[in-house]
Amino acid sequence: SAVISQKPSRDICQRGTSLTIQCQVDSQVTMMFWYRQQPGQSLTLIATANQGSEATYESGFVIDKFPISRPNLTFSTLTVSNMSPEDSSIYLCSVEDHSGRGWGYGYTFGSGTRLTVV
Amino acid sequence: GIQVEQSPPDLILQEGANSTLRCNFSDSVNNLQWFHQNPWGQLINLFYIPSGTKQNGRLSATTVATERYSLLYISSSQTTDSGVYFCAVGGSSNTGKLIFGQGTTLQVKP
Repeated sequence: SAVISQKPSRDICQRGTSLTIQCQVDSQVTMMFWYRQQPGQSLTLIATANQGSEATYESGFVIDKFPISRPNLTFSTLTVSNMSPEDSSIYLCSVEDHSGRGWGYGYTFGSGTRLTVV
Repeated sequence: GIQVEQSPPDLILQEGANSTLRCNFSDSVNNLQWFHQNPWGQLINLFYIPSGTKQNGRLSATTVATERYSLLYISSSQTTDSGVYFCAVGGSSNTGKLIFGQGTTLQVKP
C-alpha cells in the first residue's frame, strides 16, 4: 500500500499557539484528506486538499482555524491555529491507495499526530 | 448523508474465542473498509470490501451490498487483536470522503 510519513507523532502545546502537521506520501496522489479524532470518538473529515487549489472544508471546519497547504502531489500540511484544550485530538492524513499491494484499494492513513493542548 | 452503525460497541473475549462485528449502512456505497486502531492510535487497513468476501489469516469479512451490511469475523482471537475496529464507507458520489462508524472496542483477555 501507499506509505505515508506523518510528523510529528505527538506534541503537547500551549493554548493560543499553532501546530503544523506534515504528511509526505511515497507516490503522487491527486487528493489528500485530513481527519480529526477527538478522545473516545470516531474519525471526522476536516477537509480535502487538492494540489493547485484551495482545500475544501467540511461543515464545522474553517480555513482560519485549520489552514492547509498542498504544494505538490506528494506533500500536505495541516495547521491547527490558536489552539485551545478542545483541539486535543488525534489528527490523521489519508490518501487513496492505487498501489494494489495491500488488501485491495481503498484509502490508507498516516500514523497520526496525537495533540494535547494545555 | 450516509449513516454507519456498528455493533456491538464493546466486546470482551477470552483468548482463542471467535467473534463477529457488524456494520450497517443507510445507503449504497462504492467503498467499504474495515480498520483496526491500535492503542497507539495507528489506523491499520484490514479490508477494502465494498462487496463479496475476503480472508486474511484469522480475519475475514463479508459485505452484502444489496442489504447494506458488512461483517468482520475474527477467529482464534489473540491479545494483540485488542483495540478499536472501525467500519468506514464512501458514498456513490466518489468524493473520497470516508464516513466512519463509532467503532467496536475489543478487549481480548489472556
